[in-house]
Amino acid sequence: QKEVEQNSGPLSVPEGAIASLNCTYSDRGSQSFFWYRQYSGKSPELIMSIYSNGDKEDGRFTAQLNKASQYVSLLIRDSQPSDSATYLCAVYPGKLIFGQGTELSVKP
Amino acid sequence: ETGVTQTPRHLVMGMTNKKSLKCEQHLGHNAMYWYKQSAKKPLELMFVYNFKEQTENNSVPSRFSPECPNSSHLFLHLHTLQPEDSALYLCASSQGQGKETQYFGPGTRLLVL
Repeated sequence: QKEVEQNSGPLSVPEGAIASLNCTYSDRGSQSFFWYRQYSGKSPELIMSIYSNGDKEDGRFTAQLNKASQYVSLLIRDSQPSDSATYLCAVYPGKLIFGQGTELSVKP
Repeated sequence: ETGVTQTPRHLVMGMTNKKSLKCEQHLGHNAMYWYKQSAKKPLELMFVYNFKEQTENNSVPSRFSPECPNSSHLFLHLHTLQPEDSALYLCASSQGQGKETQYFGPGTRLLVL
């Protein structure tokens, strides 16, 4: 079992729709959870961090964490073509471990 | 300069060459990291430095040699690399070595011929 697993892509959504990105992790001792966005040929940039169960909202982005289910998700509301990128889930159980990323494509 | 900078941005080297990658952070952070990103694979942590001391070596081959002269600078010395070492090498920094957010540099795209 991979330590951090993301739903396989590419994920394609129409402009204005909600994009839902999912991530599961294996280490129950994980303390911190991050979502990074990586445009093609660029480095990862932080979108959201979440540390406790529940939802955390920042603009069009909502991160959801359920430690009991070892699940973290990212919702992007009113998706825009500029949101097209690879989204990386990262989990901290002592060191930062990244998932393989989900490629999101928002079609105009 | 702001954030995390890396030089060079692109590097082509032969298997017998020796080269170095440089990373500098302007954020006042105390921890710095080297990651390798290969196509279709997750980011792989290579080395961690906290207050200039190496705290993690993730079973990286000895042909990669890190150096951290101070909390703001990190180097990755490369020698006798293999073609499979071709990848994007990313430097990151964080306030402390822990659950704090890591901020990434633009990366060095390395091609080993």
